[in-house]
Amino acid sequence: AQSVTQLGSHVSVSEGALVLLRCNYSSSVPPYLFWYVQYPNQGLQLLLKYTTGATLVKGINGFEAEFKKSETSFHLTKPSAHMSDAAEYFCAAGRAQKLVFGQGTRLTINP
Amino acid sequence: DAGVIQSPRHEVTEMGQEVTLRCKPISGHDYLFWYRQTMMRGLELLIYFNNNVPIDDSGMPEDRFSAKMPNASFSTLKIQPSEPRDSAVYFCASSSTGSGNQPQHFGDGTRLSIL
Repeated sequence: AQSVTQLGSHVSVSEGALVLLRCNYSSSVPPYLFWYVQYPNQGLQLLLKYTTGATLVKGINGFEAEFKKSETSFHLTKPSAHMSDAAEYFCAAGRAQKLVFGQGTRLTINP
Repeated sequence: DAGVIQSPRHEVTEMGQEVTLRCKPISGHDYLFWYRQTMMRGLELLIYFNNNVPIDDSGMPEDRFSAKMPNASFSTLKIQPSEPRDSAVYFCASSSTGSGNQPQHFGDGTRLSIL
């Protein structure tokens, strides 16, 4: 069965610092990969997705992620954190419409 | 465009009562998903529909839970009787047919508290 692992349930960075949120998937066939963000009292919003083609994917709010098949990873990065980036982030994987979600990483931004 | 609409946003009820959660998917989307989110278990898929037909209900915790989709624009998730351990945020999401790469769009959820 497919699984998604997000390393670190909590990540804290200073404003202006690099954001790196880690995601690894387990699947014999590379799945489609997604990153979602959840702000308090809201649903999940799509940040970016990887399906095929270019392995570096750019999303909204300055985020990007790189698919590395050899490492079965899809880590999310942002060069410079803003206070508004504080939220919970979910990595998800799937080959069909059904997705498997990671446990989430809560990102805190320190002023 | 209107997103996925869920109602109510908050529900507080006593143990043993019937609870009905409602969802209106995005127009034109043919997949609908129900999720439950708790601190302990994270985001769990309960059931999903394709063209109003339940495809996979393996995530439904027990017979107290049931879901229906009578038409393309409406779905319900019902809990009867409700128990305190059902307290969670329930999300509905929808997506459209593609090659599997169409993202799911989430509603804002229903926060359910069973006393």
